[in-house]
Amino acid sequence: EVQLVESGGGLVQPGGSLRLSCAPSGFTFSDYEMNWVRQAPGKGLEWVSYISSSGRTIYYADSVKGRFTISRDNAKYSLFLQMNSLRAEDTAVYYCAREGRWPPNFDLWGQGTLVTVSS
Amino acid sequence: DIVMTQSPLSLPVTPGEPASMSCKSSQSLLYSNGYNYLDWYVQKPGQSPQLLIYLGSNRASGVPDRFSGSGSGTDFTLKISRVEAEDVGVYYCMQVLQTHKTFGGGTKVEIK
Repeated sequence: EVQLVESGGGLVQPGGSLRLSCAPSGFTFSDYEMNWVRQAPGKGLEWVSYISSSGRTIYYADSVKGRFTISRDNAKYSLFLQMNSLRAEDTAVYYCAREGRWPPNFDLWGQGTLVTVSS
Repeated sequence: DIVMTQSPLSLPVTPGEPASMSCKSSQSLLYSNGYNYLDWYVQKPGQSPQLLIYLGSNRASGVPDRFSGSGSGTDFTLKISRVEAEDVGVYYCMQVLQTHKTFGGGTKVEIK
């Protein structure tokens, strides 16, 4: 089955760290670019980060730049989001999303993992 | 970053009737290759978002033909020709022209 499964969410104190993982299956992971998108409780969608299929090109939203790090291990079929210096406003469901080179769209999404930043 | 603005915020609809929603971008999404870099997604209650329309007007695999996307440049429209109960959810547009992708705030479709 073609799917993405996120894990690693949980409750963390402000200033703390968390590492999210995304496990793809059913397709050749190294053929696709990947993104993280988040959704704060009751709010809309916010793009967080992008990584190219090779891992050489990376982009971040300004709201997380310098605090979050995206990475991937194509051999191990894994996508990661290392989140440091977490703030209350980072509280959200985090989705990983697959992006094809062409056409550019997010054609596959995971079920999401909830990150709660609170003391 | 490109700002995406959707309207209306809420759209009460009657099953069997048409529905239409708007998405406007702060910059043109029409690229030199002739494509509009604009996607539509729907997030049904309790679910993850799913792709509906890509490049402005192309239905994703498995999307019913009652959904159609149109527009060019900065003004886009998503239409549902005959709303069904299963269409309730929040519809988002997203620009994919820039590396920093941005979503609109969403239009919530609900049954009257």
